[in-house]
Amino acid sequence: NAGVTQTPKFQVLKTGQSMTLQCAQDMNHNSMYWYRQDPGMGLRLIYYSASEGTTDKGEVPNGYNVSRLNKREFSLRLESAAPSQTSVYFCASSEAGRITGELFFGEGSRLTVL
Amino acid sequence: ELKVEQNPLFLSMQEGKNYTIYCNYSTTSDRLYWYRQDPGKSLESLFVLLSNGAVKQEGRLMASLDTKARLSTLHITAAVHDLSATYFCPLRPNFGNEKLTFGTGTRLTIIP
Repeated sequence: NAGVTQTPKFQVLKTGQSMTLQCAQDMNHNSMYWYRQDPGMGLRLIYYSASEGTTDKGEVPNGYNVSRLNKREFSLRLESAAPSQTSVYFCASSEAGRITGELFFGEGSRLTVL
Repeated sequence: ELKVEQNPLFLSMQEGKNYTIYCNYSTTSDRLYWYRQDPGKSLESLFVLLSNGAVKQEGRLMASLDTKARLSTLHITAAVHDLSATYFCPLRPNFGNEKLTFGTGTRLTIIP
């Protein structure tokens, strides 16, 4: 099993450009997440999806949109990229309602906005 | 608002020594996790702690949870270089709230 797969792994954008980060999981999990990781800040939740068709804002949603296309896929879109969005983005999934409920993470997508 | 504080933020220790990383949190929680992240890599789940007094051990790492003190610890015994990584202790505030809150992590460097 591949687990959680993110694409692209690296991307350089200019300010104002748009792009979509793709995430897919093959573990049949209900819940999916997008986090960003910045030096000294730990991981901060951008958006969360409890199931297909539902999304919820996290701690830092401004400047991002998400789409839960189906149970497997959860995409993150930057409509007009800003240098402050330079970060490493992690997608994760978990089995909601499971007693342990740990998150499984993808390999990350490193985004640089010039 | 749920806050997670880890200390120390940075830890450099010699091989063979013992040390403890502390994780304090601000509200009640029913599940606390420990994750490891190697530089430039993803996060790997180490432990899930579900109840007061829970203790989990794997190799040289032992994690414990005191829900009354809102404190979890990660104890490292006889450290080896392979344990060098950043460690996080995210938690869920309660069952049904599936959002994990992370702290800033503890960067551990083991010196040969």
